[in-house]
Amino acid sequence: DQQVKQNSPSLSVQEGRISILNCDYTNSMFDYFLWYKKYPAEGPTFLISISSIKDKNEDGRFTVFLNKSAKHLSLHIVPSQPGDSAVYFCAASALGTASKLTFGTGTRLQVTL
Amino acid sequence: GAGVSQSPSNKVTEKGKDVELRCDPISGHTALYWYRQSLGQGLEFLIYFQGNSAPDKSGLPSDRFSAERTGGSVSTLTIQRTQQEDSAVYLCASSLALGSPLHFGNGTRLTVT
Repeated sequence: DQQVKQNSPSLSVQEGRISILNCDYTNSMFDYFLWYKKYPAEGPTFLISISSIKDKNEDGRFTVFLNKSAKHLSLHIVPSQPGDSAVYFCAASALGTASKLTFGTGTRLQVTL
Repeated sequence: GAGVSQSPSNKVTEKGKDVELRCDPISGHTALYWYRQSLGQGLEFLIYFQGNSAPDKSGLPSDRFSAERTGGSVSTLTIQRTQQEDSAVYLCASSLALGSPLHFGNGTRLTVT
């Protein structure tokens, strides 16, 4: 049972435009959400997180939006840059089980010139 | 180095053999995690260590898998009698404390032939 779903395996965006990566979850106990970015042959690196008490968190070009009623979150990258090309993983954890992140299967973003 | 270090980076082994994967976490990080990523899947939680507390082993897929963390630092993940379905990238991560963002190593790609 995939509790965190990233339904788009890939996304192609032109440089300078907005990239929107989506993530859906099914477990209503999840209360903390993170986005990680992964380059080939490297481990994932933390990008941005959001707690369920907020609906938006912004860090530079990266903004995460959380819609609890829809069990949906999204990562916006504006403007997109070629160096943003990577696989992006959505992850979630529940209060009391913060040691266990549940990851989605990832979305491969390609930013074209 | 400043990051999480894993060795070996690649390991090819014959079915039925035992393997040991090593992780050196970031100095000062009290929490250490093992995840694995099978082809086309998200990251799957395996085990978590926090300080001197008993580890959370709830993600280990079978009793062929074990892990230890010596002296609160280096960790070894051991897979006994490897099977082809054990083939995956095994990722180690550490964090300052429970709930802090995870810092991942580059992983060990295990191939069981």
